[in-house]
Amino acid sequence: TQLLEQSPQFLSIQEGENLTVYCNSSSVFSSLQWYRQEPGEGPVLLVTVVTGGEVKKLKRLTFQFGDARKDSSLHITAAQPGDTGLYLCAGASGNNRLAFGKGNQVVVIP
Amino acid sequence: GAGVSQSPRYKVTKRGQDVALRCDPISGHVSLYWYRQALGQGPEFLTYFNYEAQQDKSGLPNDRFSAERPEGSISTLTIQRTEQRDSAMYRCASSLGVGRDPSGNTIYFGEGSWLTVV
Repeated sequence: TQLLEQSPQFLSIQEGENLTVYCNSSSVFSSLQWYRQEPGEGPVLLVTVVTGGEVKKLKRLTFQFGDARKDSSLHITAAQPGDTGLYLCAGASGNNRLAFGKGNQVVVIP
Repeated sequence: GAGVSQSPRYKVTKRGQDVALRCDPISGHVSLYWYRQALGQGPEFLTYFNYEAQQDKSGLPNDRFSAERPEGSISTLTIQRTEQRDSAMYRCASSLGVGRDPSGNTIYFGEGSWLTVV
């Protein structure tokens, strides 16, 4: 059972454009994390959101946790080729088990 | 060590053989996790430990899979009588905390062990 649905699965944009990817679930999570994974590497944590409605910014990346704590979005402003990667969302329940989505593959073309 | 270290990085084995994958977590990290990741998919939870105690093994696919962490540091994931469907990237991760909600802990992933069963 895929608890977290990420969309779009694949997105290709030109350098300088903006993009938004989504992570949706029917389950409520106590927290949600976003990771970025590059080929041949392990996922690297970008941010953790905890409170419903919370917005966090990391340079050109803006993360939002839905009010009901079931969904999240990641917005990238003025994308750069270095933003290319697989973006994974992961929801945490109280038992410390992280459930991952399949990821949003983002390609930024120079 | 500086990061989570896994070995071997690549393993090719014949169907029916047993394999052992090793994980050396970041020094001092209490929690250790094993995930499996297929190409193009997010990591799938297998099991996790706090210190030497296995807290949750509900993600292990069947009884051919087992994991241990006898001294609360290095962990071994063992797959007995391997099958082709076991081929995947196996990732280990560790965090500083004692299994609290991950909002209080950053999880660091290793580079993984690629397993191919032929």
